[in-house]
Amino acid sequence: NAGVTQTPKFRILKIGQSMTLQCAQDMNHNYMYWYRQDPGMGLKLIYYSVGAGITDKGEVPNGYNVSRSTTEDFPLRLELAAPSQTSVYFCASTEGTFYEQYFGPGTRLTVT
Amino acid sequence: AQSVTQLDSHVSVSEGTPVLLRCNYSSSYSPSLFWYVQHPNKGLQLLLKYTSAATLVKGINGFEAEFKKSETSFHLTKPSAHMSDAAEYFCVVSDRGYSTLTFGKGTMLLVSP
Repeated sequence: NAGVTQTPKFRILKIGQSMTLQCAQDMNHNYMYWYRQDPGMGLKLIYYSVGAGITDKGEVPNGYNVSRSTTEDFPLRLELAAPSQTSVYFCASTEGTFYEQYFGPGTRLTVT
Repeated sequence: AQSVTQLDSHVSVSEGTPVLLRCNYSSSYSPSLFWYVQHPNKGLQLLLKYTSAATLVKGINGFEAEFKKSETSFHLTKPSAHMSDAAEYFCVVSDRGYSTLTFGKGTMLLVSP
């Protein structure tokens, strides 16, 4: 059972480039989340999804887009990367609102 | 609206001494509360959770937390620190009716020999 997987682990982008962070889970969870973690700031929610075809903005959605075509996958798209998007990105999933969220290992992104 | 305040950004203890990490929350409804731990360059792991059952919650690795509604607190404790406990700890709240979690800013626990 792989749990939540994320690719890539590390990436360096130039300003203005775009990329997609991949996230997949094999636990058949309906709820999936993308967070960013900046030093001393905890985790901030970017986008979340409560099922295939349903997504919603979190606290810091600007500069990002998501899609959820299957239960398993929840990719995060960065368009026109900016230095402010340098961060560690975590994907998570859960079976319901009051249940434990399972986190992936994270993607460390640097935009220069 | 829900919010979480972790009262200390850093806590330093000696190995074998007690650990106290403090957390206060604000919630419009009956909350669910969680403590997660993050070791360096790793993802987050659930330590324990409170979901309106017993107010004293036991978690993994000897940690426990007590939900005090009157004080809106959910402090994390451990009787005796181990070197392997050195990590960052996050207090997290989830309100009824919300699909999302709100994280505190984290407390870095430093354990010295």
